[in-house]
Amino acid sequence: KNQVEQSPQSLIILEGKNCTLQCNYTVSPFSNLRWYKQDTGRGPVSLTIMTFSENTKSNGRYTATLDADTKQSSLHITASQLSDSASYICVVSGRGGSQGNLIFGKGTKLSVKP
Amino acid sequence: DGGITQSPKYLFRKEGQNVTLSCEQNLNHDAMYWYRQDPGQGLRLIYYSQIVNDFQKGDIAEGYSVSREKKESFPLTVTSAQKNPTAFYLCASSILRAGTPNEKLFFGSGTQLSVL
Repeated sequence: KNQVEQSPQSLIILEGKNCTLQCNYTVSPFSNLRWYKQDTGRGPVSLTIMTFSENTKSNGRYTATLDADTKQSSLHITASQLSDSASYICVVSGRGGSQGNLIFGKGTKLSVKP
Repeated sequence: DGGITQSPKYLFRKEGQNVTLSCEQNLNHDAMYWYRQDPGQGLRLIYYSQIVNDFQKGDIAEGYSVSREKKESFPLTVTSAQKNPTAFYLCASSILRAGTPNEKLFFGSGTQLSVL
């Protein structure tokens, strides 16, 4: 069964600290992996999209890594800010990469405290 | 401003009532999608459309209906057959290019539907 598992479920960190969120998937065949940020009561916003051949991709203070062999991805947030408080969703595209075949993780809820 | 607009932000449904959620985009995107988000759960696909006058069922289409009469608009109707409609509904759109399945989704800000 195609699944995307994220950990931890929730995380609290102090402002200025770094953190890493994890995503493990069992989707096959694999096309791409995406990370989204979702503020409470809002729609998700794309952070990165990585294909099979990409190991790392950055977007400002966000850096995503992908290990297609172990089917793991991580999202590293550097020098966290209060505005980073949100849910972070890992999404994997399979079966030829059609947009109709995206599998969403349940998300990691990050709280950044002053 | 370019973007994708959902309305209303909050909607209440009475027993046996059909309600329609609006989704409009001015990004000139070919594809549009409807997702349902429940607390603590991943997004689940309800319906999607890649071209005007055509749409496909997603994983949880039962109790929902859609139309795509215009490229810009993809309304979702939650029918009385949907017995557990309380959820956060998200509309999204994306470019469609042959051979490039990695176009990112642009989401609206969502509609929270509750049952009275």
